[in-house]
Amino acid sequence: SQQGEEDPQALSIQEGENATMNCSYKTSINNLQWYRQNSGRGLVHLILIRSNEREKHSGRLRVTLDTSKKSSSLLITASRAADTASYFCATGSGRALIFGKGTTLSVSS
Amino acid sequence: GAVVSQHPSWVICKSGTSVKIECRSLDFQATTMFWYRQFPKQSLMLMATSNEGSKATYEQGVEKDKFLINHASLTLSTLTVTSAHPEDSSFYICSAREHSGGITDTQYFGPGTRLTVL
Repeated sequence: SQQGEEDPQALSIQEGENATMNCSYKTSINNLQWYRQNSGRGLVHLILIRSNEREKHSGRLRVTLDTSKKSSSLLITASRAADTASYFCATGSGRALIFGKGTTLSVSS
Repeated sequence: GAVVSQHPSWVICKSGTSVKIECRSLDFQATTMFWYRQFPKQSLMLMATSNEGSKATYEQGVEKDKFLINHASLTLSTLTVTSAHPEDSSFYICSAREHSGGITDTQYFGPGTRLTVL
């Protein structure tokens, strides 16, 4: 089962630009998490935001959560070529994490 | 942080054979483990949830007789793909959770196992 959608499905930008990805979900949640996955590799946990939080920062990452709209966004500032990867949101509600469809980010130098 | 390992990291097998994938929590006891499947260029799809000492709960559309899950101890869960066929070729990822529920639902993910069925 999948919780929702990421938008856009694919994003291509130049190094130094900011990248914004959005995630929508359908049911009530305890938290929302963002993961990165390089091609053919495992998941890397980026950041977790609780349902009672609205914004969270970690380094070049900024995550927002709007529970009234059931949506979240991930902003990567000053992107680097090494940020090239697929990014997934995942919602937690006390059971298994449910993943969105993901956004594929390509950062060219 | 908590570490979850998977073995093997990749496996190639002939059609009709069975393949077992192990998922271990190395430094914590996992009351719950989850199995996901990921096809190329797609997202992770939850296959099943297993609690130590009880039967796994499978998601809709996942054949329980084909994907056998055993969570025999608090540190080990196994997924056996029985009578594998080429359409079972995929990236299988497990995750483990130390406590049940909670606002952070922390799941620790293994590195994944790439299965190729010829």
